[in-house]
Amino acid sequence: NAGVTQTPKFQVLKTGQSMTLQCAQDMNHEYMSWYRQDPGMGLRLIHYSVGAGITDQGEVPNGYNVSRSTTEDFPLRLLSAAPSQTSVYFCASSTGRVREQYFGPGTRLTVT
Amino acid sequence: AQKITQTQPGMFVQEKEAVTLDCTYDTSDQSYGLFWYKQPSSGEMIFLIYQGSYDEQNATEGRYSLNFQKARKSANLVISASQLGDSAMYFCAMRLNQGGKLIFGQGTELSVKP
Repeated sequence: NAGVTQTPKFQVLKTGQSMTLQCAQDMNHEYMSWYRQDPGMGLRLIHYSVGAGITDQGEVPNGYNVSRSTTEDFPLRLLSAAPSQTSVYFCASSTGRVREQYFGPGTRLTVT
Repeated sequence: AQKITQTQPGMFVQEKEAVTLDCTYDTSDQSYGLFWYKQPSSGEMIFLIYQGSYDEQNATEGRYSLNFQKARKSANLVISASQLGDSAMYFCAMRLNQGGKLIFGQGTELSVKP
């Protein structure tokens, strides 16, 4: 049981490049979310999903796309990277039971 | 609007003493959950403690306890007998019954002095 895994751990992009941050969980959780963490701002919700085929926007969705074709995977796509997207990205998953939240180790992204 | 406020950007505490980290929240929902996470310098998010809005008792997990005052909408974290390894960022978060989303505060950086 690996929990929540994220790849890559570090990434450097140039402005305008696209890429996908991968997130997978092996706990059969229906809920998955993406957050970004910027200095002094805590974590902010980008997109979330309540099950395969269902996604919705969070607080800061602009510049990001998501899809959820399986229960296990929830990739985050940067369409055209901008320096403002330099951040640490966390994926999280949970069940319908309010208490349980599991975070991945994070991806540190730098856009130059 | 749902919001979490942590008013202490940084805190210092002497080793072996207790410390309280403040958290206030704002929501009109009746059902919600409150979390505290620890983020050490290595960056991972570590779950510490959870309090449900309908829980009558304050949550405790080892040296961590949550002082839940529903009428005041506060959910302060109390760490007893601080240790050097407690030095980290601490985040308060609220989960509404809407797809597992969490709303985070800005965090408090705790430094434990020997």
